[in-house]
Amino acid sequence: EIVMTQSPATLSVSPGERATLSCRASQSVVSNLAWYQQKPGQAPRLLIYGASTRATGIPARFSGSGSGTEFTLTISSLQSEDFAVYYCQQYNNWPYTFGQGTKLEIK
Amino acid sequence: QVQLQESGPGLVKPSGTLSLTCAVSGGSISSSNWWSWVRQPPGRGLEWIGEIYHSGSTNYNPSLKSRVTISVDKSKNQLSLKLSSVTAADTAVYYCARDYDSRGYYYGYWGQGTLVTVSS
Repeated sequence: EIVMTQSPATLSVSPGERATLSCRASQSVVSNLAWYQQKPGQAPRLLIYGASTRATGIPARFSGSGSGTEFTLTISSLQSEDFAVYYCQQYNNWPYTFGQGTKLEIK
Repeated sequence: QVQLQESGPGLVKPSGTLSLTCAVSGGSISSSNWWSWVRQPPGRGLEWIGEIYHSGSTNYNPSLKSRVTISVDKSKNQLSLKLSSVTAADTAVYYCARDYDSRGYYYGYWGQGTLVTVSS
């Protein structure tokens, strides 16, 4: 099983600033990496797939990068609605696995 | 727009069987997509349970494989999850989900989730 490790566990950032979230895979997942946003009481929402492709309707301030074992989700200018928990997911190998999440909180 | 809706008992006794269904609307269970179950224990992260194609082909998480069955009912346009021999560790919000675009196993469509508590 591929282990996905996200860092940091909690990130405190002020609105308008940039946030950078990291995700590391225990072995290469090529570019088969997705990012999700989850708000309390809601299902996850797909943001990014293929490591860097935004899903339909996702604002351009969200961007993904990386390949192999190291991936990054960047939110260029944080809006109030962006404060949530973010998960990465690899879908290169069964079982598909998620990171433990990064909580993005208001500073 | 595809919509998914989970349903089933919110309370299951230890050693019993958890049974959930996921009704699909706005699309067909027979489309060229994989349909999955994902769970999330309270306050914790996401765990992939398994997936099914309309042909009946399935893939399961090895950690749950001996206890899990996922099936589809084309006549009702729904999928089902059965998890046997449950313990408190199986308490979680259970989501059904569908892949985003048939090209990869990332999930663009989710149900709202249903909380299942395992307790006597």
